[in-house]
Amino acid sequence: DARVTQTPRHKVTEMGQEVTMRCQPILGHNTVFWYRQTMMQGLELLAYFRNRAPLDDSGMPKDRFSAEMPDATLATLKIQPSEPRDSAVYFCASGLFAYPQETQYFGPGTRLLVL
Amino acid sequence: EDKVVQSPLSLVVHEGDTVTLNCSYEVTNFRSLLWYKQEKKAPTFLFMLTSSGIEKKSGRLSSILDKKELFSILNITATQTGDSAIYLCAGGTSGAGSYQLTFGKGTKLSVIP
Repeated sequence: DARVTQTPRHKVTEMGQEVTMRCQPILGHNTVFWYRQTMMQGLELLAYFRNRAPLDDSGMPKDRFSAEMPDATLATLKIQPSEPRDSAVYFCASGLFAYPQETQYFGPGTRLLVL
Repeated sequence: EDKVVQSPLSLVVHEGDTVTLNCSYEVTNFRSLLWYKQEKKAPTFLFMLTSSGIEKKSGRLSSILDKKELFSILNITATQTGDSAIYLCAGGTSGAGSYQLTFGKGTKLSVIP
């Protein structure tokens, strides 16, 4: 049963620390999306990749966030330095096309709390 | 600024009832309208709509898009307690080689026995 995996599932850290979240897309999928979900803002698209190349990261605060895809099996989202307002659930999703089709699947999410 | 508005924000119904969830959108370079179901964890994909007037169905769920009125509805017939979830609507836009999804805040559906 193919699925998107994310690590860690939970992270508690102090303000100013670096946070790295990892995502393993479903094998064979060529697009990866990073989303952030909060009660106030709902679900927001942060960045997405196609064939490992970043296509759009306009939803991401550039000064502290960075997203990379060093190989086809790993996508990372880093926050440095982290701030309390970054507390949210971060989802990774993968799919086969440049925009979500029926094959876009979400990972279980990383729940981040910045104190 | 792109905007997706869902209504109602929350809804409580009894098992067996039929519900209609609403989604209106204002997005530039519109490509598709997507519906997701989110229980306690990650959103799961329900439907993607790109053409007006063509209903998509999956079991007791169905959805339709009106591109003239910039509106979509999600219908659930004969509701069950397992349908309790937050239903998210998202507008997909595309331009200059990039793609963006704008999500609504969701409709929280509670189905009571």
